[in-house]
Amino acid sequence: DSGVTQTPKHLITATGQRVTLRCSPRSGDLSVYWYQQSLDQGLQFLIQYYNGEERAKGNILERFSAQQFPDLHSELNLSSLELGDSALYFCASSAGTASYEQYFGPGTRLTVT
Amino acid sequence: DQQVKQNSPSLSVQEGRISILNCDYTNSMFDYFLWYKKYPAEGPTFLISISSIKDKNEDGRFTVFLNKSAKHLSLHIVPSQPGDSAVYFCAAPFGGSNYKLTFGKGTLLTVNP
Repeated sequence: DSGVTQTPKHLITATGQRVTLRCSPRSGDLSVYWYQQSLDQGLQFLIQYYNGEERAKGNILERFSAQQFPDLHSELNLSSLELGDSALYFCASSAGTASYEQYFGPGTRLTVT
Repeated sequence: DQQVKQNSPSLSVQEGRISILNCDYTNSMFDYFLWYKKYPAEGPTFLISISSIKDKNEDGRFTVFLNKSAKHLSLHIVPSQPGDSAVYFCAAPFGGSNYKLTFGKGTLLTVNP
């Protein structure tokens, strides 16, 4: 158990809809990262938050947004969903200071029909 | 552009033998590398890492070798056990101090009893 929790585990929704994925980092970790894993792709970095502030953006679509709350949990919002958004979404956390190791949650499997 | 490449999608070895998983990278600025292991329906789990100031790092049955001139690293598992069967990802932090990771596409290791 990495100590990172993600909800829900599975999500099935229709095209055009909006969903919110939730992540709670390990106790004490200030950095949260979101990654997407599609069928034929490795893990792709989406976005990073550190102590409530956005720190880095990867190949995140404009339809996607995220935030980190004062209690350090984070949410990834996906809107105007398309079939191609079906993927595994992982959240990871790290201490964020001189620590490269990231600890991953179990992921949320999103299926868009 | 895939900066970290794992060219073997799968590898099958016999229990007790050595497993060698390979990873190549293109960015000579990378100075730290990590290996993650992933079981189905779970998030990636940190396994072992290596800094570019070293050429070898060992942790029990797992050893990572780094050849900077060839931009190549490998993960050796000796002896391999059936419980090692998983997808292995190599990763490197990129983009300055934010520690976000770029991953290879992974190699599925199957250890046969």
